[in-house]
Amino acid sequence: DIQMTQSPSTLSASVGDRVTITCRASQSISSWLAWYQQKPGKAPKLLIYKASSLESGVPSRFSGSGSGTEFTLTISSLQPDDFATYYCQQYNSYSLFGPGTKVDIK
Amino acid sequence: EVQLLESGGGLVQPGGSLRLSCAASGFTFSSHAMSWVRQAPGKGLEWVSAISAGGDGTYFADSVKGRFTISRDNFKNKVYLQMNSLRAEDTAIYYCATQTDATMVCCGAFDIWGQGTMVTVSS
Repeated sequence: DIQMTQSPSTLSASVGDRVTITCRASQSISSWLAWYQQKPGKAPKLLIYKASSLESGVPSRFSGSGSGTEFTLTISSLQPDDFATYYCQQYNSYSLFGPGTKVDIK
Repeated sequence: EVQLLESGGGLVQPGGSLRLSCAASGFTFSSHAMSWVRQAPGKGLEWVSAISAGGDGTYFADSVKGRFTISRDNFKNKVYLQMNSLRAEDTAIYYCATQTDATMVCCGAFDIWGQGTMVTVSS
């Protein structure tokens, strides 16, 4: 079975910082990876699909990269609205989410 | 407007059963695979189950296999999750989700989510 890990589990950052979150799969998932943002009490919001494709309406400060087993989500300049929890999801074999990365205020 | 609306959550005793429903609108429901994703209080997201667009393929996480079934009614634009032999660890918000990419047989990048329905398993 595929396992998903994310690092770090928590990230403290300031507005304007460049933020990078890493997601690793235990075996190759090609580019079948998505990234989500979730805020408390809300459903997740899709940011990136197929590893690097930006979902319509998502600000261009979000970007994704990687393939195979290692992926990154980058926020080029953190904005106040970006403090949230971020999840990766593989959909190469059924579906599985990573454990999440909480981005909080430094 | 594209919308998913879950219902059927509530309090149930361990060992009990519950059926969740998800009503879809604003898109061609019969063309899209549908999934259920849950989130235990204070925890991360867990994909639970999916059903193909035509209903002939069903998929489950190991944690619910043999206890949960998924079905759909493409005339009523609804998907269902029948949950049996419920355990305390099934306590969670259950989200209905799908992807606009109609080529996905099972699961894709979920760009459409419902608001969730809470299931509490407790005596």
